[in-house]
Amino acid sequence: EPEVTQTPSHQVTQMGQEVILRCVPISNHLYFYWYRQILGQKVEFLVSFYNNEISEKSEIFDDQFSVERPDGSNFTLKIRSTKLEDSAMYFCASRPRGRTEAFFGQGTRLTVV
Amino acid sequence: QKEVEQNSGPLSVPEGAIASLNCTYSDRGSQSFFWYRQYSGKSPELIMSIYSNGDKEDGRFTAQLNKASQYVSLLIRDSQPSDSATYLCAVGIGDLHPYGNKLVFGAGTILRVKS
Repeated sequence: EPEVTQTPSHQVTQMGQEVILRCVPISNHLYFYWYRQILGQKVEFLVSFYNNEISEKSEIFDDQFSVERPDGSNFTLKIRSTKLEDSAMYFCASRPRGRTEAFFGQGTRLTVV
Repeated sequence: QKEVEQNSGPLSVPEGAIASLNCTYSDRGSQSFFWYRQYSGKSPELIMSIYSNGDKEDGRFTAQLNKASQYVSLLIRDSQPSDSATYLCAVGIGDLHPYGNKLVFGAGTILRVKS
C-alpha cells in the first residue's frame, strides 16, 4: 500500500542552524501538508500546499519556515534558524483530489540543542 | 478559533469490552470528521472518517456523528490490548475551499485495554 515517507526519522541540530525535513507524498495525491506535535501536546497544522504554492499557513509558520516541492515528488520543510522551541515531531501528510482523508508519514523527530 | 475537545483519559477497559471515545467541536460549518490512532512516538494513523449524521461501521469500529450537537464518537467493540493507544479526533476545516482543507486535532484520549 502506498505511503508517505519522511526523512530523516530523527534530526538533532544546534540552535540557529538550518534544517530541511523531507517528504515523499503518495504519488497521485495533490494536496500536501506539514503538521507538528510538540511532546505531550496536540498535533498542530503548519501549512498546506497545492498547485505549487502555499494555500494556507498557521501563525506558527513564520518567516523562519518555508516549503518547497523542488522536483515533483519531494516536498520539503525548511527551518532557517532553529530555536529550542522548534523541537517537535514534524509530520508530512498528503491527500488525493476529491477526498478529504489525509494520510500521514511516520514523522521526523527534530531535537534542537 | 476552531476547537476540538476530547477527554484526555486514560480510559481503561477490560479486554473484550466496548470502548467509547467522545469528541466535541466548535465549528458548525465543519463537514468532515476523522478518528486517528496514535501509538506512542508514532504518527497518526487514520482509522475512520465520517461525513453524515448517524453511524458508520467498519469492522470493530463505529463512528457516530451528531452535527446538531457538534459531537463525534468512536466505539471500539471487542477491545484488544493492541488497541491501547491515543485516539485523536480531527475535524476538517475548509473542505469546500478549492485549495484544500486542514485538520484541527483534539488533544487525544488515551485508551488502555487490560488483558
